[in-house]
Amino acid sequence: GENVEQHPSTLSVQEGDSAVIKCTYSDSASNYFPWYKQELGKRPQLIIDIRSNVGEKKDQRIAVTLNKTAKHFSLHITETQPEDSAVYFCAATRGGSQGNLIFGKGTKLSVKP
Amino acid sequence: SQTIHQWPATLVQPVGSPLSLECTVEGTSNPNLYWYRQAAGRGLQLLFYSVGIGQISSEVPQNLSASRPQDRQFILSSKKLLLSDSGFYLCAWSSGQGTNEQFFGPGTRLTVL
Repeated sequence: GENVEQHPSTLSVQEGDSAVIKCTYSDSASNYFPWYKQELGKRPQLIIDIRSNVGEKKDQRIAVTLNKTAKHFSLHITETQPEDSAVYFCAATRGGSQGNLIFGKGTKLSVKP
Repeated sequence: SQTIHQWPATLVQPVGSPLSLECTVEGTSNPNLYWYRQAAGRGLQLLFYSVGIGQISSEVPQNLSASRPQDRQFILSSKKLLLSDSGFYLCAWSSGQGTNEQFFGPGTRLTVL
């Protein structure tokens, strides 16, 4: 069945460094790729998303890149801050099923001051 | 603006007892609605989704059921809870109008003892 693989499962960086989280998907019909940030005990919050007709999208310190040919997409966080510490989830739509998302298993990001 | 509510926020139930979790959405009509479960330190597992009143699709066979008695109300139920039903239950909505963004409720933390 459809699958989304996310790596790494944990990531530790120094404040000010960059962090990159990578995901691959299996369904070539997937056309929407959101990223969620979940702080401890809280709900996942949508932080950025990208659609299949775009290769890159940026919002301040956060950017997402998409390679449809290789079926992978990545989250880039620059100038990391301690408040960026959280679990990040990638997701991809299940082709032909409007709105249904398949989530990766998450990456726990720790930013050390 | 749209808001999504879940209650209760936390729940401790004995094995074999019934369950009813409620989710309501405000500020939108005919949303797609979703129930996810998140085990401790794990990813998001889609349990049920609904594209309209009385329309429920189940993603995984399990001890739980869902109902949508009103347009903006989604209920997750069980007749007899199992220990393995413990987790963080998240309700989410999307507009169902050609967009895929999903927005999560605050969640219910269920502990089955």
